[in-house]
Amino acid sequence: NAGVTQTPKFQVLKTGQSMTLQCAQDMNHNSMYWYRQDPGMGLRLIYYSASEGTTDKGEVPNGYNVSRLNKREFSLRLESAAPSQTSVYFCASSGVLVTNNYGYTFGSGTRLTVV
Amino acid sequence: GDSVTQMEGPVTLSEEAFLTINCTYTATGYPSLFWYVQYPGEGLQLLLKATKADDKGSNKGFEATYRKETTSFHLEKGSVQVSDSAVYFCALTIYNNNDMRFGAGTRLTVKP
Repeated sequence: NAGVTQTPKFQVLKTGQSMTLQCAQDMNHNSMYWYRQDPGMGLRLIYYSASEGTTDKGEVPNGYNVSRLNKREFSLRLESAAPSQTSVYFCASSGVLVTNNYGYTFGSGTRLTVV
Repeated sequence: GDSVTQMEGPVTLSEEAFLTINCTYTATGYPSLFWYVQYPGEGLQLLLKATKADDKGSNKGFEATYRKETTSFHLEKGSVQVSDSAVYFCALTIYNNNDMRFGAGTRLTVKP
């Protein structure tokens, strides 16, 4: 099925461990995004990539790094996980740089717990 | 900064009841407005959108009208079903801005 695929779906980390969340889309979209979802706070943008080869910080980038590996793939890395990074992470993509007329396509999320 | 405020939930309704979920926005430019729906265990799905003042977005019986004078984009449905139980998010983007801002979400539960 066409769409955005995220892996893994669930992960438990110990404080200080590192991990990479993977995201791939097969819709030939230019723009990709990483959000985190926390109770009562909606979704907050961590990083985005407007096109292959570019990445920019969003609202809450501290503690994260990203890589736009190619047009299809956009990964999110936690170098040293902290309990405050316990959240549900969503990857999304959009077909155009200017997003005012188009919605995003979201993946099904990664539930991360840091203990 | 640009932001969206939604009515707090949770909202519990009986089947066939009328639904309103309030959404107001603050924006420096001219935003496009969206409603997304999230079913349990899934990602967000675009429900409807409106890109300019007085536009009405509609889908699956849901409607929302972009009201510039009241900076609002309230979601309505005339007769809800159990299958509408989900979390609903209001969101906005500003032209040429790659940051979509989301409200906190409103959980809707519809009982038979």
